[in-house]
Amino acid sequence: DTGVSQDPRHKITKRGQNVTFRCDPISEHNRLYWYRQTLGQGPEFLTYFQNEAQLEKSRLLSDRFSAERPKGSFSTLEIQRTEQGDSAMYLCASGGPSGSYNEQFFGPGTRLTVL
Amino acid sequence: DQQVKQNSPSLSVQEGRISILNCDYTNSMFDYFLWYKKYPAEGPTFLISISSIKDKNEDGRFTVFLNKSAKHLSLHIVPSQPGDSAVYFCAASAYGGATNKLIFGTGTLLAVQP
Repeated sequence: DTGVSQDPRHKITKRGQNVTFRCDPISEHNRLYWYRQTLGQGPEFLTYFQNEAQLEKSRLLSDRFSAERPKGSFSTLEIQRTEQGDSAMYLCASGGPSGSYNEQFFGPGTRLTVL
Repeated sequence: DQQVKQNSPSLSVQEGRISILNCDYTNSMFDYFLWYKKYPAEGPTFLISISSIKDKNEDGRFTVFLNKSAKHLSLHIVPSQPGDSAVYFCAASAYGGATNKLIFGTGTLLAVQP
């Protein structure tokens, strides 16, 4: 399977705990995005990587959130001291070379529930 | 502010008929538009896109129309099939932005009745 993969698919945690999600993009894609989707809304942009460089972060990404993409391959999104408001679907997407009109291809998402 | 709007939360059509999903945007900097389809518990699946230099793009049963003066686009599905039942999201990006991040609407739930 050469699509975008995400792990885990589901995560249930207690308020105050830290969680980490992983995204493996399509191998030849150098652009990687994280989005968050809550019930009744469309996905909302969180952050963008071009290769290993994090080039943009949304205002939605509070200082409890951190994302990395070491070596420009897979990416991780960590949420520290989770809050109930963090409950959402976290989506990763990848796209081809920057500077061109390219679609973004999404993974299956990680569903986070904070109790 | 909602820069991309899908004002119809749901749409029901009969199998074989045309489905028309609508989307409006407010940001005149948007110049690339995409439609995604999403099933429950899955990520969005890319369907079709259009750049602002075109007013129509067709791919099989799916056609997207863009009216830049009205800041409006629509997705036509002909003929509609029960397997098309899903949530459809309209998304837009500004090519001049370095990230090409997507701004999504809130989605329209399409139900195709057999």
